Amino acid sequence: GAGVSQSPRYKVAKRGQDVALRCDPISGHVSLFWYQQALGQGPEFLTYFQNEAQLDKSGLPSDRFFAERPEGSVSTLKIQRTQQEDSAVYLCASSPPARGFYGYTFGSGTRLTVV
Amino acid sequence: KNEVEQSPQNLTAQEGEFITINCSYSVGISALHWLQQHPGGGIVSLFMLSSGKKKHGRLIATINIQEKHSSLHITASHPRDSAVYICAVMVEKLTFGTGTRLTIIP
Repeated sequence: GAGVSQSPRYKVAKRGQDVALRCDPISGHVSLFWYQQALGQGPEFLTYFQNEAQLDKSGLPSDRFFAERPEGSVSTLKIQRTQQEDSAVYLCASSPPARGFYGYTFGSGTRLTVV
Repeated sequence: KNEVEQSPQNLTAQEGEFITINCSYSVGISALHWLQQHPGGGIVSLFMLSSGKKKHGRLIATINIQEKHSSLHITASHPRDSAVYICAVMVEKLTFGTGTRLTIIP
């Protein structure tokens, strides 16, 4: 597609439920990033993939968060046993070069609300 | 202390006013990004700067690497400029400021 596509656009989950958020990057983009954006805050880094390899997961807040990109294209961010503090917008971004600063394209995000 | 600080946090102005949003950072960087985020959440990259000044339409971005400071200016502001403007720097990973919420009143 022409841009980075994220789904679902909105997700309401009951506390304790598992959720899966999907990111479809721009075709051919090597790098893929996940960010968490709490209300009124700037995005915070979660994890980074170069192709299928997860090179940095230092931003994942707990072991309830898991991300994968098995074929180096679509990525899924999974949150197990969701908590209210997980409520945020989850943004995905992709870029062409490996870990480059150029050409970042962001998706519209998935707004997760845990009730 | 955040590595990236933006000011002001909120800015309301009348249509036509000249707007300035500031970004200061505390670490050495190779480049800085200005991003625009609309209420629906989508983020658009406006500028990437490593030195000097860039201009695109009514938007102007400047950076002073020695002073670790960048500014985003909007000339002849319009209500459609209303958005959150975010400064981001590349250290080991892209690090974002908390954003400036701009509201332009007709």
